[in-house]
Amino acid sequence: GENVEQHPSTLSVQEGDSAVIKCTYSDSASNYFPWYKQELGKRPQLIIDIRSNVGEKKDQRIAVTLNKTAKHFSLHITETQPEDSAVYFCAARDGAGSYQLTFGKGTKLSVIP
Amino acid sequence: DAGVIQSPRHEVTEMGQEVTLRCKPISGHDYLFWYRQTMMRGLELLIYFNNNVPIDDSGMPEDRFSAKMPNASFSTLKIQPSEPRDSAVYFCASSLTERGLRDGYTFGSGTRLTVV
Repeated sequence: GENVEQHPSTLSVQEGDSAVIKCTYSDSASNYFPWYKQELGKRPQLIIDIRSNVGEKKDQRIAVTLNKTAKHFSLHITETQPEDSAVYFCAARDGAGSYQLTFGKGTKLSVIP
Repeated sequence: DAGVIQSPRHEVTEMGQEVTLRCKPISGHDYLFWYRQTMMRGLELLIYFNNNVPIDDSGMPEDRFSAKMPNASFSTLKIQPSEPRDSAVYFCASSLTERGLRDGYTFGSGTRLTVV
């Protein structure tokens, strides 16, 4: 089955700096890669996703890049703000007909004012 | 749209008791997933349904866990008997496939289960 590794597990940045979270996946057939943000005590919420036919996608201060050859994808947050503090999860969905997502272990991002 | 609705939000029970968690997916969504979240293991898929039919239950940890989806608007996850190591947050999520595209999940608020 799919295996998703996520790094780092914790990340602290100064407000205004950029944050980068990286994930690798094992199944070359995987074709959909969402990112979720989970604030303390709340549900994970989809913030951005990318499909395997696209190399990069941007939405305001967040962007995701995908390198299919290397089987890794990254989340980039620019001009970080205190409200960006949360746990971020990457996920991958295999292309073999299964609709399940395999999640990374999460990255706890702290933005220091 | 009220989103994915889970109940109860919190459950505290004694070891050995039966626990039933409930989920109402978003109307029209054809996939429903049950996840368990712990600090040690992160988000683990337990089981998922497509059009009310269980597709993959390989994540169900043992026979004490069972899940049903009697209709498109309701699913239950049951633990009987419960054990302290079952303590976790259980999330239900639903999604809609459209023209072969696979949408992201929408998660419910979760049920925080504590077994003492």
